[in-house]
Amino acid sequence: QVTLKESGPALVKPTQTLTLTCTFSGFSLSTSGMRVSWIRQPPGKALEWLARIDWDGDKFYSTSLKTRLTISKDTSKNQVVLTMTNMDPVDTATYYCARIAGGLYFDYWGQGTLVTVSS
Amino acid sequence: EIVLTQSPGTLSLSPGERATLSCRASQSVSSSYLAWYQQKPGQAPRLLIYGASSRATGIPDRFSGSGSGTDFTLTISRLEPEDFAVYYCQQYGSSRSYSFGQGTKLEIK
Repeated sequence: QVTLKESGPALVKPTQTLTLTCTFSGFSLSTSGMRVSWIRQPPGKALEWLARIDWDGDKFYSTSLKTRLTISKDTSKNQVVLTMTNMDPVDTATYYCARIAGGLYFDYWGQGTLVTVSS
Repeated sequence: EIVLTQSPGTLSLSPGERATLSCRASQSVSSSYLAWYQQKPGQAPRLLIYGASSRATGIPDRFSGSGSGTDFTLTISRLEPEDFAVYYCQQYGSSRSYSFGQGTKLEIK
């Protein structure tokens, strides 16, 4: 059974760095072909893809946000970590992690974690 | 970057009716790279369709996907009360990036 769960602060101040952790089970990121992404959704708005990390360590980022994002993995802990620097109120959103199937679509999602950026 | 435009923004129908949701891409998308998701309030999205027309595990056969090139369609043959939700299309791009449409809200008439 594949599960993913996001954790991190619910509230961050403008200019701070956000660190989110995705803890998963039911698969291993050391297995060939496995990939995990982060996706966010501002309240009442559409989904936005942020970043992806692959089993072999390859990393890919949203063009518009790549200067602010870093994705990493800890295979031994079954975790993927996303950091986003210089947070702004417009970054207020629910942040999801999701497993990617075949590199093409998101077949399992975490429940999401709401992050509010406010002073 | 490929932009996905979904229409209509809101679709008002009654249970038992047929729903047709559209997703148009700004440039051609491989059918293999197009997926649809359903999202209910307070929940994460759920994968419905991948490869433009293949149903994900456990998805009822009243959901079907079709299309190619720049025009894709999600059809729900007979709406059940639990189908009223927001639907998103998603594509995988050659630059190893992903994009979503802005969503279609399917509401009860």
